Amino acid sequence: AQSVTQLDSQVPVFEEAPVELRCNYSSSVSVYLFWYVQYPNQGLQLLLKYLSGSTLVKGINGFEAEFNKSQTSFHLRKPSVHISDTAEYFCAVSVPRGGQGGSEKLVFGKGTKLTVNP
Amino acid sequence: DSGVTQTPKHLITATGQRVTLRCSPRSGDLSVYWYQQSLDQGLQFLIQYYNGEERAKGNILERFSAQQFPDLHSELNLSSLELGDSALYFCASSPRGLAGFGETQYFGPGTRLLVL
Repeated sequence: AQSVTQLDSQVPVFEEAPVELRCNYSSSVSVYLFWYVQYPNQGLQLLLKYLSGSTLVKGINGFEAEFNKSQTSFHLRKPSVHISDTAEYFCAVSVPRGGQGGSEKLVFGKGTKLTVNP
Repeated sequence: DSGVTQTPKHLITATGQRVTLRCSPRSGDLSVYWYQQSLDQGLQFLIQYYNGEERAKGNILERFSAQQFPDLHSELNLSSLELGDSALYFCASSPRGLAGFGETQYFGPGTRLLVL
């Protein structure tokens, strides 16, 4: 079965500082990887996803993530954060249809709360 | 705004009661997913429907059931409620129900359920 580990439950940073939110996954087959953001009192919104091709994926709001197959990681980065980036960030994995144990569901990590301070 | 609507936004009820949560997917999306978000369990997939048929099942309790209607809206029924069922319940939709192919899921704002 697939699983996702987000190593940091909370990450405080100052405005304009760089940030990296870590995500590691466990799977015996190839997977697709996602980062979602949840702003306070809102639903989840897709930031970016990795399906295939270039391992560096660019998303919305200046975020990017790098897929590292050997490290089974998909860390999210932003070079300079803003107060408005304060939110909870979720890494998720899905198994492509046809792969062993393929399903339509997303498996989410526990989330990382990013707090950007002035 | 994702285009997915959920009602009600908040629900307070007592143990042993039954409630129904409603979800309308984005226009044109055929698949609906239900998730439960709680402090201890995180975000857990419950069940998926595609064009009226159940497609995938996750960690859904037997006390919970769902259906998708011909107009594609979906309802999640929670019965014999317990304190531990207090959580945020999200609905998501996608065009062809192909999260396994990397299809994006669009999430609604959620229904916050409090069981007293």
